[in-house]
Amino acid sequence: GAVVSQHPSRVICKSGTSVKIECRSLDFQATTMFWYRQFPKQSLMLMATSNEGSKATYEQGVEKDKFLINHASLTLSTLTVTSAHPEDSSFYICSASSVQGALIDTFGSGTRLTVV
Amino acid sequence: GENVEQHPSTLSVQEGDSAVIKCTYSDSASNYFPWYKQELGKRPQLIIDIRSNVGEKKDQRIAVTLNKTAKHFSLHITETQPEDSAVYFCAAKGHNAGNMLTFGGGTRLMVKP
Repeated sequence: GAVVSQHPSRVICKSGTSVKIECRSLDFQATTMFWYRQFPKQSLMLMATSNEGSKATYEQGVEKDKFLINHASLTLSTLTVTSAHPEDSSFYICSASSVQGALIDTFGSGTRLTVV
Repeated sequence: GENVEQHPSTLSVQEGDSAVIKCTYSDSASNYFPWYKQELGKRPQLIIDIRSNVGEKKDQRIAVTLNKTAKHFSLHITETQPEDSAVYFCAAKGHNAGNMLTFGGGTRLMVKP
């Protein structure tokens, strides 16, 4: 079945630094990729939607200059958390959707970001 | 936009009993309703889904029902086992690839042996 690879799985960074998270669709072309953030004991909250070759669409309250999303190809999307602060510590997870098949969303394995 | 409400937030059942989780949605244009199981620190795993052209779907011990008129759908797990313990999320979306999933708040299911 469809597989989405996400890495790193865990990252600890210092406050003020930037962190890049990659999400790759391994065996299908992801027309659309979604980035979510999940705080402990909470649901997945959509941060942004990205389509290959175009600018990402951010949800209300998500700073586009802080969370940079690049979807340069049909198999790769990246999320860069810039100038990270402790409150950015969270579980970040991507999912990919395709016009092929049943349009089922396939999730990456998630990235646990800890900002110290 | 879409709004998905999920109840209960926690559910504790005895092994072998059934568990039912209910969700309501607001956007009548939504036509795809997946259910995910998420274990601590891991990705959500799709366990069953239903599209708006059917009212019920079953896969072994898991079933989902959909009432389009009332805009609610439910997950039914029968003969629960301790390994069913996890957080379950319902979600809703439209049929286009660009349509995003809107998740319910989640239900923490605990199956006591």
